[in-house]
Amino acid sequence: DVKVTQSSRYLVKRTGEKVFLECVQDMDHENMFWYRQDPGLGLRLIYFSYDVKMKEKGDIPEGYSVSREKKERFSLILESASTNQTSMYLCASSLEYRGGTEAFFGQGTRLTVV
Amino acid sequence: DQQVKQNSPSLSVQEGRISILNCDYTNSMFDYFLWYKKYPAEGPTFLISISSIKDKNEDGRFTVFLNKSAKHLSLHIVPSQPGDSAVYFCAATGTASKLTFGTGTRLQVTL
Repeated sequence: DVKVTQSSRYLVKRTGEKVFLECVQDMDHENMFWYRQDPGLGLRLIYFSYDVKMKEKGDIPEGYSVSREKKERFSLILESASTNQTSMYLCASSLEYRGGTEAFFGQGTRLTVV
Repeated sequence: DQQVKQNSPSLSVQEGRISILNCDYTNSMFDYFLWYKKYPAEGPTFLISISSIKDKNEDGRFTVFLNKSAKHLSLHIVPSQPGDSAVYFCAATGTASKLTFGTGTRLQVTL
């Protein structure tokens, strides 16, 4: 059974804190993604990675960075958390396949910045 | 710039009837389309997909139709069941593997 695991279901952090969101997949997938979900805005891509130590900006990378030191792990970092980063964060992984392939999602992390 | 659009934020359908969820896209480089279902406080789960070389794909109660000339796809659920109540996201991908999502449609199946 495929599995994408996010380290926390719920987090509460203070403004200005550095926040780490961790994601691990056990499917040996090349691609990993971080999205955020907000009401009325759908899922927006923050960053993605095609391979170890490789990263690409998504549609809303400002205020975030990522790290992929191992194939199975993709971390999202909020350098200095702000209240407008309160959101549901979703990690996903997928195979690299030209014909198209579905992404598998973790259960999500609900982050509240106070 | 919203490349994948779901213009109906919500839809209510009676149990047993057909649910039709619509999605439009603007990027002609998209060649693979997917539908995801999401319950509150859970991650999205893959439902069904279609390649741009096809115009229909069916899986049980779920059928996705693709009209490339109109840049439009739809998801049909027949018959609708109360457990289908969720938010449905349309997604698309092209030469890059990243998925671009729509804003979602909340489906409510009533008894």
